[in-house]
Amino acid sequence: DQQVKQNSPSLSVQEGRISILNCDYTNSMFDYFLWYKKYPAEGPTFLISISSIKDKNEDGRFTVFLNKSAKHLSLHIVPSQPGDSAVYFCATGVSGRDDKIIFGKGTRLHILP
Amino acid sequence: NAGVMQNPRHLVRRRGQEARLRCSPMKGHSHVYWYRQLPEEGLKFMVYLQKENIIDESGMPKERFSAEFPKEGPSILRIQQVVRGDSAAYFCASSTGTGVLANEKLFFGSGTQLSVL
Repeated sequence: DQQVKQNSPSLSVQEGRISILNCDYTNSMFDYFLWYKKYPAEGPTFLISISSIKDKNEDGRFTVFLNKSAKHLSLHIVPSQPGDSAVYFCATGVSGRDDKIIFGKGTRLHILP
Repeated sequence: NAGVMQNPRHLVRRRGQEARLRCSPMKGHSHVYWYRQLPEEGLKFMVYLQKENIIDESGMPKERFSAEFPKEGPSILRIQQVVRGDSAAYFCASSTGTGVLANEKLFFGSGTQLSVL
């Protein structure tokens, strides 16, 4: 029973265009949402996060949007660059002393030249 | 400042053998998490440990799997009598324990790829 769903296993985007990765969640108690990026043979690395009190957070080329009523968040990358080719994991949890992060299955992003 | 160190990077075991995966957290981190990634799957939480203490093991299979984080030395994930279904990438992550959702990032190691023949 998946609490975090990334329904697109893969996505191909032309270099310079916008990449949009989507994520849905089921538990309305989740109050922090994160995106991790993973290259082959490496561990995931933190990319960007947003708390449930916000609906948008921007960091350079990366913007995360949160729609609490739809239990949906998305990551926008613009402009997309070749180094953005990686697997992107949506993650979330309920903040507190014993945080536990729940990850989605990931979306593999291919940036095409 | 070394990151999270996992060893070995690759581990091959025959069915029925034991697998021991090691994780040394980042300097200054006292909390360790273990995640498993099966082929074509996301990262599944297994266990969350503090020094000498298991905080949450709700994702750990009830049999054959155990984890520890002793006062001295690395955290160990131990899988007894491995089966083919245990083949996966096992990732360790560490934190200071102040809150990996609101207050800090979770730092991951490069993982151990376990292959069971």
